[in-house]
Amino acid sequence: ILNVEQSPQSLHVQEGDSTNFTCSFPSSNFYALHWYRWETAKSPEALFVMTLNGDEKKKGRISATLNTKEGYSYLYIKGSQPEDSATYLCASSGLGGSQGNLIFGKGTKLSVKP
Amino acid sequence: GAGVSQSPRYKVAKRGQDVALRCDPISGHVSLFWYQQALGQGPEFLTYFQNEAQLDKSGLPSDRFFAERPEGSVSTLKIQRTQQEDSAVYLCASSPGGIGEQYFGPGTRLTVT
Repeated sequence: ILNVEQSPQSLHVQEGDSTNFTCSFPSSNFYALHWYRWETAKSPEALFVMTLNGDEKKKGRISATLNTKEGYSYLYIKGSQPEDSATYLCASSGLGGSQGNLIFGKGTKLSVKP
Repeated sequence: GAGVSQSPRYKVAKRGQDVALRCDPISGHVSLFWYQQALGQGPEFLTYFQNEAQLDKSGLPSDRFFAERPEGSVSTLKIQRTQQEDSAVYLCASSPGGIGEQYFGPGTRLTVT
C-alpha cells in the first residue's frame, strides 16, 4: 500500500503565530506533490504543485518545500490569520495506476484563534 | 470563469435507494476525476475519464457504483442500493489533461440512513 502521511492531524494556534505541517510520501514512482487548502463548505483550493527535488514555492504568507529523495514536503504559514483556518491536504500523483489520480493524506486541520 | 460545480450539495438517502450525483467540469477540461472522502479520511480515488472514455475505474468500491461521461463534459456518479458505508463526501475534479493541477468542485455530502 502506498500511503501519503500528514502530521499533525490538527493544530490550534494564536493569530500571528507561524506554523508548519509535514507531508511524507513514497519517493518511488513520484511525479508531483500537490498542496490544497479546504475550507468548510467550499471547494478544495490548489495552493502549490511541485515536481522537482529542492523546489520551494511561495504564495503570500504561505510557502512549501519539496524533498523527493527522502519523500517529504513542508508547508509553512507565516503570521497565521483567522482566515487561514482550514484543512490542508497534500497529495502525490504518479503513484496510482491512472494518469494523474491523486493519493491524498488525511489532512491537517488548522484553527487560528483571534 | 466558472469553476467545477456539483449537485446536489447534500443528499440524504434511505438505505437501498439509488442516487445520482452530478459534476459539471470546467469547460474544455479533458480529464475528470471522482474521489470519495469518508469521515476522518483523505479523499480516495474512484474513477478517471479522459473525454468520454473511462480509463480507470479501479477505485470504485463495488459494482453498485457506476460513473459515466457520455459527451465528454458533464459526468454522473450513480450508486445503486445505497448502504450506510457509502456515506461520504463525493468530490469531482477536472484538469486540462495529463498530470497536473486538478480543480475541485465543492463536493456532494451523501448521508445514507
